[in-house]
Amino acid sequence: SQKIEQNSEALNIQEGKTATLTCNYTNYSPAYLQWYRQDPGRGPVFLLLIRENEKEKRKERLKVTFDTTLKQSLFHITASQPADSATYLCAFILTGGGNKLTFGTGTQLKVEL
Amino acid sequence: DTGVSQDPRHKITKRGQNVTFRCDPISEHNRLYWYRQTLGQGPEFLTYFQNEAQLEKSRLLSDRFSAERPKGSFSTLEIQRTEQGDSAMYLCASSFRQGPNYGYTFGSGTRLTVV
Repeated sequence: SQKIEQNSEALNIQEGKTATLTCNYTNYSPAYLQWYRQDPGRGPVFLLLIRENEKEKRKERLKVTFDTTLKQSLFHITASQPADSATYLCAFILTGGGNKLTFGTGTQLKVEL
Repeated sequence: DTGVSQDPRHKITKRGQNVTFRCDPISEHNRLYWYRQTLGQGPEFLTYFQNEAQLEKSRLLSDRFSAERPKGSFSTLEIQRTEQGDSAMYLCASSFRQGPNYGYTFGSGTRLTVV
């Protein structure tokens, strides 16, 4: 069966450190992978997109990698701040899938002072 | 344009009642999506429209659920004969047809509680 797995345990890190979140998948061939941030009681907010033929994308303090051999995406936040505390969701768009998003369960990040 | 708007933000209803939610997408976006999210889970796809045409419905969308997008603008999601299992956050998102190359814009959701 198809699965998208994100670490269900919250990730606690100290301010200034790099946070690394993992998204693993099985039995998928995603054409695109997106990362979203979600705050409590709010809808997801788009952060970054990476295509299947790309290895890495960066945007300011954010970096995403996509390894189709390992079937894994890593999401990095460098120089993390307490304001980065939120739940981070990975989402796939499959080729020919009507462009609908299929989400992982999300990982909660808490950045402490 | 202030983004995707959803109304109401919260809805408490008694089991068996009908409820209707509204979504106003970004005006230039021709695709509109409905998702459902329960606590601790990622959003799950329910249905999507391209303009006024409903192009796909998930198996999650039972016969008690119906969605419309008249004139290709706002959309409504109706749940008939609500059940406690319908309690969730209902999210609406919109995008350009070329959506994969861009992010999707989500509304803040409607939180439904069925008592």
